[in-house]
Amino acid sequence: DGGITQSPKYLFRKEGQNVTLSCEQNLNHDAMYWYRQDPGQGLRLIYYSQIVNDFQKGDIAEGYSVSREKKESFPLTVTSAQKNPTAFYLCASSKGQGYGYTFGSGTRLTVV
Amino acid sequence: EDQVTQSPEALRLQEGESSSLNCSYTVSGLRGLFWYRQDPGKGPEFLFTLYSAGEEKEKERLKATLTKKESFLHITAPKPEDSATYLCALDSNYQLIWGAGTKLIIKP
Repeated sequence: DGGITQSPKYLFRKEGQNVTLSCEQNLNHDAMYWYRQDPGQGLRLIYYSQIVNDFQKGDIAEGYSVSREKKESFPLTVTSAQKNPTAFYLCASSKGQGYGYTFGSGTRLTVV
Repeated sequence: EDQVTQSPEALRLQEGESSSLNCSYTVSGLRGLFWYRQDPGKGPEFLFTLYSAGEEKEKERLKATLTKKESFLHITAPKPEDSATYLCALDSNYQLIWGAGTKLIIKP
């Protein structure tokens, strides 16, 4: 079955470390997205990519970086510049405008 | 500016007590309004897409409707397993604009 796989499910980061969250899809979707979700809050867009080798900043891109070298993969790096990284991170993909998103199961990142 | 507002923030119902969740929106050109369900610690799960005023879609105990200014998610005779956060999103300029969600709790 097609879908989106996020890994790991739980991730712990020490102060000053960079960490990378994995997102892989086998739906043949062109567009991919990264969201951050904090308790009691809605989804906030970090980065999105509509095509391979191209991506755009979302509303809260500071302290994050991404790459899109393959259609299937859209990893997110949380850098040490992100001062409050503890959150639930969701990856999604879509066929394009007018279509809904398919979400992964999320990665919960905690700073220790 | 395109916007989405959901109400209420939380809704507690007894099992079997029907009700509706609201999603108000403003958009320059509607390309789709989406409803999702999210369980704690999981990614949102797609429920419905609505594209034009007057459109309705149903799935089990859920029915989504759309007017030019708002969408309703009607839940009929809910069961405890319908407890979740329901999210509404608007298609705007190659990305979705999300409401903050309504947390629905169904008590047995």
